[in-house]
Amino acid sequence: DTGVSQDPRHKITKRGQNVTFRCDPISEHNRLYWYRQTLGQGPEFLTYFQNEAQLEKSRLLSDRFSAERPKGSFSTLEIQRTEQGDSAMYLCASSLGVAGGETQYFGPGTRLLVL
Amino acid sequence: TQLLEQSPQFLSIQEGENLTVYCNSSSVFSSLQWYRQEPGEGPVLLVTVVTGGEVKKLKRLTFQFGDARKDSSLHITAAQPGDTGLYLCAGGLIQGAQKLVFGQGTRLTINP
Repeated sequence: DTGVSQDPRHKITKRGQNVTFRCDPISEHNRLYWYRQTLGQGPEFLTYFQNEAQLEKSRLLSDRFSAERPKGSFSTLEIQRTEQGDSAMYLCASSLGVAGGETQYFGPGTRLLVL
Repeated sequence: TQLLEQSPQFLSIQEGENLTVYCNSSSVFSSLQWYRQEPGEGPVLLVTVVTGGEVKKLKRLTFQFGDARKDSSLHITAAQPGDTGLYLCAGGLIQGAQKLVFGQGTRLTINP
């Protein structure tokens, strides 16, 4: 199966700690997205990469959040000095980047719990 | 403010009944995608519609994109317990990087 993969699937951390999540997109996809989903809500856009370039960031992405995609393949999302409000499901998606009708395929997500 | 409004948010019906879920917005989208999500998992794509007025069928599921590309509907015929789940609509914005804007989801329960 060559779908989007995310690691870890679950993370429990204490407030103030740093955490890092990894996303491996579908191999030929050049666009990679990060979303956050809280309980009872639909996912919300965080940031987006075209190859290795981070082209857009949401206002939801505070200074404590940083994302990278150094070689245009996998991506990492780091949260520094975690807060309880960061508890959520972090979803990664990838797409081919074809204009119009672009379809995004999601990974299984990383569920973060900040105690 | 929610850019995409889904209704109903919760729906519980008996096996064999038909149902329709609506996704409405005042914004125009370049595409509209429907996903289904199980607890603790990521959304799984059901369909993408891109043309105003487009209708797509996936077995007992029928998806329609509004003529003005502002709204969409999902109709399920003869619902089965296996259809139970969270259904999400997501619109691709015309300007920008095709980031998706999601509705809040419809939690569907089909009772045997």
